[in-house]
Amino acid sequence: DIVMTQSPDSLTVSLGERATINCKSSQSVLHTSNSKNYLAWYQQKPGQPPKLLVYWASTREYGVPDRFSGSGSGTDFTLTISSLQAEDVAVYYCQQYCTTPLTFGQGTKVEVK
Amino acid sequence: EVQLVQSGAEVKKPGATVVISCKVSGYTFTDYCMHWLQQAPGKGLEWMGSVDPKDGETRYAQKFWGRVTITADTSTHTAYIDLSRLRSEDTAVYYCATGLNREATTRTPFFDSWGQGTLVTVSS
Repeated sequence: DIVMTQSPDSLTVSLGERATINCKSSQSVLHTSNSKNYLAWYQQKPGQPPKLLVYWASTREYGVPDRFSGSGSGTDFTLTISSLQAEDVAVYYCQQYCTTPLTFGQGTKVEVK
Repeated sequence: EVQLVQSGAEVKKPGATVVISCKVSGYTFTDYCMHWLQQAPGKGLEWMGSVDPKDGETRYAQKFWGRVTITADTSTHTAYIDLSRLRSEDTAVYYCATGLNREATTRTPFFDSWGQGTLVTVSS
């Protein structure tokens, strides 16, 4: 199984400041056949299902604000919120969809300072 | 509009079986695998398995192998998950989810469509 490890577990950021979440996979999720990284990011607020933010490591889902961006390749990935807004308080998860079992990071809780 | 509507909350005793349904609308049910995920209270997301409604082919995570059965009824556009021999650690919210983005690979997708979740409480 591919193990996904996020850091930090929690993050406290002032409104308008940058938040950075890291995700590391135990093996590469880069498919050499198409040069795509099979890595997605989700946002989950209490009582709600997760919401897709980014796929292919850096493609923003339709309707997601451009303050959210994904980067990285191979085994190391980052989700950046460029200017934290109050509505961004949530838990964020990375997921690899390279192979089954599909696996997720343990989550990073983002709070406002 | 795509909708995945799950059945309501359940309370079960240890050793029992729970069945959760996920009725879909707004897309062609047989074109996309349906996946099920578990989220224990305060915990992360765990993939349990999937079914291809087109041919009924299933895939399960090893953790749940032997206790989980995922099926799809194409006549009612509904997917089901059965989890048997319940124990307290199965107390969780269960989600059905699928990837409808044409770039997603149906058997190993990123999930852009989710059910609302079903809370299962296992308690004696």
